Amino acid sequence: GENVEQHPSTLSVQEGDSAVIKCTYSDSASNYFPWYKQELGKGPQLIIDIRSNVGEKKDQRIAVTLNKTAKHFSLHITETQPEDSAVYFCAASEGKSTFGDGTTLTVKP
Amino acid sequence: GAVVSQHPSRVICKSGTSVKIECRSLDFQATTMFWYRQFPKQSLMLMATSNEGSKATYEQGVEKDKFLINHASLTLSTLTVTSAHPEDSSFYICSAIDRGGSLRETQYFGPGTRLLVL
Repeated sequence: GENVEQHPSTLSVQEGDSAVIKCTYSDSASNYFPWYKQELGKGPQLIIDIRSNVGEKKDQRIAVTLNKTAKHFSLHITETQPEDSAVYFCAASEGKSTFGDGTTLTVKP
Repeated sequence: GAVVSQHPSRVICKSGTSVKIECRSLDFQATTMFWYRQFPKQSLMLMATSNEGSKATYEQGVEKDKFLINHASLTLSTLTVTSAHPEDSSFYICSAIDRGGSLRETQYFGPGTRLLVL
């Protein structure tokens, strides 16, 4: 089955700096890679996703890159704000999603 | 669009009782719903995949007689924790896929249900 590894497990940045979270996956059949943001006590919220036929996607301060050959994808958040503080999960899917272990992002004001 | 609700948001029950959690897709038809369990500071653990009109598919290690799943309509799936025990205390989250939409693999998550078994 699919195995997704996510790094780092915790990330602390200063407000205004950039944050990068990386994930690797094992199953080359995976073709859909979403990223979720989960705030304390709430369900995950989709923030951006990318499909295997695209190398990069951007939505305002958030971008995702995908390297299918190396089987890794990354989330980039620029100009971070305190409200970006949350747990972020990556996932790889070929119909069923396998999630990474999550990254706790803390943005210090 | 693509809103998923869960009810209740929080429930406390006595050991030995059963608890039902509802998951609804409010503005789309969800032919597939997923049920996850999440422990504090951990990732989401898939418990089962629920398809409308058919039996749920359970992940390895998940007791189907303990966690009863019913996906009776295109907008509603229920998870019943039978004879709950303290070790069943957890955060249960459902998600749904809009197969009829353009984003056919996108999972939309509910807000979660916090279960505490005393």
